[in-house]
Amino acid sequence: KAGVTQTPRYLIKTRGQQVTLSCSPISGHRSVSWYQQTPGQGLQFLFEYFSETQRNKGNFPGRFSGRQFSNSRSEMNVSTLELGDSALYLCASSLDQSLETQYFGPGTRLLVL
Amino acid sequence: GENVEQHPSTLSVQEGDSAVIKCTYSDSASNYFPWYKQELGKGPQLIIDIRSNVGEKKDQRIAVTLNKTAKHFSLHITETQPEDSAVYFCAASRGGSYIPTFGRGTSLIVHP
Repeated sequence: KAGVTQTPRYLIKTRGQQVTLSCSPISGHRSVSWYQQTPGQGLQFLFEYFSETQRNKGNFPGRFSGRQFSNSRSEMNVSTLELGDSALYLCASSLDQSLETQYFGPGTRLLVL
Repeated sequence: GENVEQHPSTLSVQEGDSAVIKCTYSDSASNYFPWYKQELGKGPQLIIDIRSNVGEKKDQRIAVTLNKTAKHFSLHITETQPEDSAVYFCAASRGGSYIPTFGRGTSLIVHP
């Protein structure tokens, strides 16, 4: 069974631009969570979607948004990029309503110049 | 909310030695404690987990112990090998639809 896939793997943007990241969960998984990983802050939870509904949300500004499609694929969008948004963005999928066992993708490394 | 502290931030050992990583949590309602291994260029991968009704769990060279009273849990790796070199994360969760809280990570370096 294929794992969690994320595209693109690497991205370079400039301040003020916006970016959209994509995540395809493991086949059959209905929950998708997004995390931001930086050396200084570790793994910070962004939001989680289950059956196309945002079920959990972390403490990030409104510039960060996401959505989930009927096939469970998810996208996250960051508008008006800032230098501090440079990070590894990780997507994790879970089989059902329980978030105990999360399977992470390889991440998208975003660099904002 | 939950707060998870992880120590040490860096751990350097010789091949064959044991390595121990410790985490403490604050929310007594947390009942599920997974450990993840993140290799360079990859996402975190679940390596072992423990629930609050169990004190210890082993899987070959790795083991996790949990002390609910003291609210701390530890990862033990025996007979370390160079391929064990990675960043290890602990997490604590209430289970169900609750988002896990992660520790800051421990960079384990195993010298051949």
